[in-house]
Amino acid sequence: DTAVSQTPKYLVTQMGNDKSIKCEQNLGHDTMYWYKQDSKKFLKIMFSYNNKELIINETVPNRFSPKSPDKAHLNLHINSLELGDSAVYFCASRPDFRGGYGYTFGSGTRLTVV
Amino acid sequence: AQSVTQPDIHITVSEGASLELRCNYSYGATPYLFWYVQSPGQGLQLLLKYFSGDTLVQGIKGFEAEFKRSQSSFNLRKPSVHWSDAAEYFCAVGPFSGGYNKLIFGAGTRLAVHP
Repeated sequence: DTAVSQTPKYLVTQMGNDKSIKCEQNLGHDTMYWYKQDSKKFLKIMFSYNNKELIINETVPNRFSPKSPDKAHLNLHINSLELGDSAVYFCASRPDFRGGYGYTFGSGTRLTVV
Repeated sequence: AQSVTQPDIHITVSEGASLELRCNYSYGATPYLFWYVQSPGQGLQLLLKYFSGDTLVQGIKGFEAEFKRSQSSFNLRKPSVHWSDAAEYFCAVGPFSGGYNKLIFGAGTRLAVHP
């Protein structure tokens, strides 16, 4: 199936730990994103990569570090996890970073920090 | 700054009734406009999008939306709601500044459907 897939789907961890979330798309898209959805369902962009190059870096703590080994993959590593990092993290992709293409979203990773 | 407002946080309709979800945007030019739906525990699915041309756009699942430039609105409609339409609906704006495009989302409207 062509899709954006994220792993893991659920992640429960203690404060202070370091964790990673992985994202892969097989749609042949050039651009990938990380969005954070808080407890009130508000979606906010965090990062975007276009063909392995970081092109959007919103105001995000530097404990969050994205990595794109190739244009089909965009991973998110989080150091020293805090309670406020609990949220659902969505990966998305689109054909290109310009124009009005729609975004294809993954099913999300629910991160719970305890 | 670009922004999206969805005035209704929560809407409840009866099955078979018509539906309109409101969306207003703030942007200096004509933006790209999107509606997404999120079912519980799921990701976001694109319902429809507007780029240019006909201001009434048709989407999946029987939804349509109308772009009104004078009102800076892009309201989502469905003539007859089904119980399976219960979900969270997000309006989004994708401003094209000539640079790097990103989606800005509204806060969402939660739709409940009564049998």
